[in-house]
Amino acid sequence: AQTVTQSQPEMSVQEAETVTLSCTYDTSESDYYLFWYKQPPSRQMILVIRQEAYKQQNATENRFSVNFQKAAKSFSLKISDSQLGDAAMYFCAYTHYNQGGKLIFGQGTELSVKP
Amino acid sequence: DSGVTQTPKHLITATGQRVTLRCSPRSGDLSVYWYQQSLDQGLQFLIQYYNGEERAKGNILERFSAQQFPDLHSELNLSSLELGDSALYFCASSFGTSGRETDTQYFGPGTRLTVL
Repeated sequence: AQTVTQSQPEMSVQEAETVTLSCTYDTSESDYYLFWYKQPPSRQMILVIRQEAYKQQNATENRFSVNFQKAAKSFSLKISDSQLGDAAMYFCAYTHYNQGGKLIFGQGTELSVKP
Repeated sequence: DSGVTQTPKHLITATGQRVTLRCSPRSGDLSVYWYQQSLDQGLQFLIQYYNGEERAKGNILERFSAQQFPDLHSELNLSSLELGDSALYFCASSFGTSGRETDTQYFGPGTRLTVL
């Protein structure tokens, strides 16, 4: 069964600095999709970034980028120039089309941003 | 705002009762997903509907059921409620190309259910 692991329950970063959140996953599939979702205190789940496994190029969205290492089954999220509004729980998620579209989530990483 | 709406935002009820959670997907989306978020279980997939038909099932209890209506809104019915059913219930939607459900899912604000 596919699993997603986030080994850092909590992380902290200084405002304007860079932080990297880790995620590893286990799958025997080759064509899958990975996501990072952000959940601020409002509890809304917000898509941060998406990566297709068949693409070698790492996805980027403004200050957010990923380091996708397919062979190592690693999918880390880098947040540059951290802002106070980045404080949230971050979830890594996996899906494959044979999953019926269901997302398999990691346990989450609570990110705090210090002014 | 993701475009996915969920009602109600909060629900407080007693054990043994039945409740219905409602979700309206983004305009144009055909797939609806239900997830449960609790402290002990994390985020768990419950069930997916595509254009009115059940497409995938996860760890959904027999006391729970769902459906998707012709106008594509969906309802999640929870019955014989127990204390452990207290959780945040999310609905998500995606365009849902048939057979290749890997489109990005956009989440609603959630319904917080408290069972006393």
